[in-house]
Amino acid sequence: EAGVTQSPTHLIKTRGQQATLRCSPISGHTSVYWYQQALGLGLQFLLWYDEGEERNRGNFPPRFSGRQFPNYSSELNVNALELEDSALYLCASSLEGSGLSPKNIQYFGAGTRLSVL
Amino acid sequence: AQKVTQAQTEISVVEKEDVTLDCVYETRDTTYYLFWYKQPPSGELVFLIRRNSFDEQNEISGRYSWNFQKSTSSFNFTITASQVVDSAVYFCALRWMDSSYKLIFGSGTRLLVRP
Repeated sequence: EAGVTQSPTHLIKTRGQQATLRCSPISGHTSVYWYQQALGLGLQFLLWYDEGEERNRGNFPPRFSGRQFPNYSSELNVNALELEDSALYLCASSLEGSGLSPKNIQYFGAGTRLSVL
Repeated sequence: AQKVTQAQTEISVVEKEDVTLDCVYETRDTTYYLFWYKQPPSGELVFLIRRNSFDEQNEISGRYSWNFQKSTSSFNFTITASQVVDSAVYFCALRWMDSSYKLIFGSGTRLLVRP
């Protein structure tokens, strides 16, 4: 069974541009989470999508946005890129569905490394 | 406030040594879940274990073992007879009963196992 897949592996952009990162969850998983791992800041929660809706977002500005498609895959968009957006962006999926529970395990992809020059 | 502390930034051991990674958590909730993840150089976070707040039994999986103690709010991870392939960053994480369902991570401990 395929795990969580993310694309692209690496992305290089310049300040002010927009970046789009993609995530395909494990088959059958309905929830997708996005995390940012920036140097010195650790792993921080960005966004959570479940059944096509945004359920929660972390303490990030509105230029970080995303969506979840009917097939449960997800996109993360970062507009007006700033140098400090350079980080590893990790996507995770879990089987939440109607059984939302903190016990559900989040499985992670290998991430997209975004470099903003 | 909900918080996870991994005080050990980096640990270096020689192969076959035992090593313990510390994790201390803070939460007001009585129902919560603790997790350990491994992040090898490839970047992917690999799930290792989940423990709920009502189950204080220690767990062993091969060379890995976990010691959960509610009295000290700790969930420590021990690798017995470490191997070079154990070299990675290890994260402890917390999740609790509210609508956010996000994971709160500790800052991670980088483990280097030298041959």
